[in-house]
Amino acid sequence: SQTIHQWPATLVQPVGSPLSLECTVEGTSNPNLYWYRQAAGRGLQLLFYSVGIGQISSEVPQNLSASRPQDRQFILSSKKLLLSDSGFYLCAWSALGLAGGPSTDTQYFGPGTRLTVL
Amino acid sequence: KNQVEQSPQSLIILEGKNCTLQCNYTVSPFSNLRWYKQDTGRGPVSLTIMTFSENTKSNGRYTATLDADTKQSSLHITASQLSDSASYICVVGGYSTLTFGKGTMLLVSP
Repeated sequence: SQTIHQWPATLVQPVGSPLSLECTVEGTSNPNLYWYRQAAGRGLQLLFYSVGIGQISSEVPQNLSASRPQDRQFILSSKKLLLSDSGFYLCAWSALGLAGGPSTDTQYFGPGTRLTVL
Repeated sequence: KNQVEQSPQSLIILEGKNCTLQCNYTVSPFSNLRWYKQDTGRGPVSLTIMTFSENTKSNGRYTATLDADTKQSSLHITASQLSDSASYICVVGGYSTLTFGKGTMLLVSP
C-alpha cells in the first residue's frame, strides 16, 4: 500500500531564516507530487506540482521553491522566510495524469507540517 | 476563471442530526468533483468522487450528489457523529487543473 511521509510535523522559525520541508512517498512509482499551503481560516492553495524528477511547476509567485531530486521525494525550500509564510503545509501525491500535467485523479495527502514564522 | 464556492462557511449541528453542505462551481472543462474531509491538523482524505455522468455517490453515511447542468454538488451527512466534526472541501477537476473550495467547517455537538 502507498504511504506518504512529511517532516517535520511542526516547525518554528525566525523571519529571514531558511526552510526545508521534505516529503517522501512509498509504494508507488512516477507519482504526481504536490505542495499545498493552508493559511489559518483559508482554503488549500496549490504551490507547486511535479510530474517527474526535476520537473517543477509553480502555481503562484513567492519566495518558496521546490525540488524533486528523486522519483518519490519532494522538497519545499526557502532562502529567507517571511511572516506570511506561516501556515500548514501539505504534500500530496496522485497517479500520473495522461496529459502530463497535474492529475485530476484522487490526491492522497500527507500529515502536514505546521510552520510558524516569528 | 475557475471557481468553487462552498456554503455554509461553518455549521453547528446536534449529534444524530442530518446536514447538507453545498458546492457551486464554474470550472470548464469539467472532469470530476471530489469531496474531501479534513480533520483539524491533518491532511484531507477523499470521501467521494463523481464524474460528469454520475448523479450520486455514497460512502457510508456520506452521500454526494452532482448536477452537472446547474454546476452544483451537495454532500449529505446522515445521523451525524461527533467524529464528523471537520472541514469538508469540494474540489473540482478540469483538464489538468484542480480548483479547491475554501471548505465548510462542521461542528457536531453532543
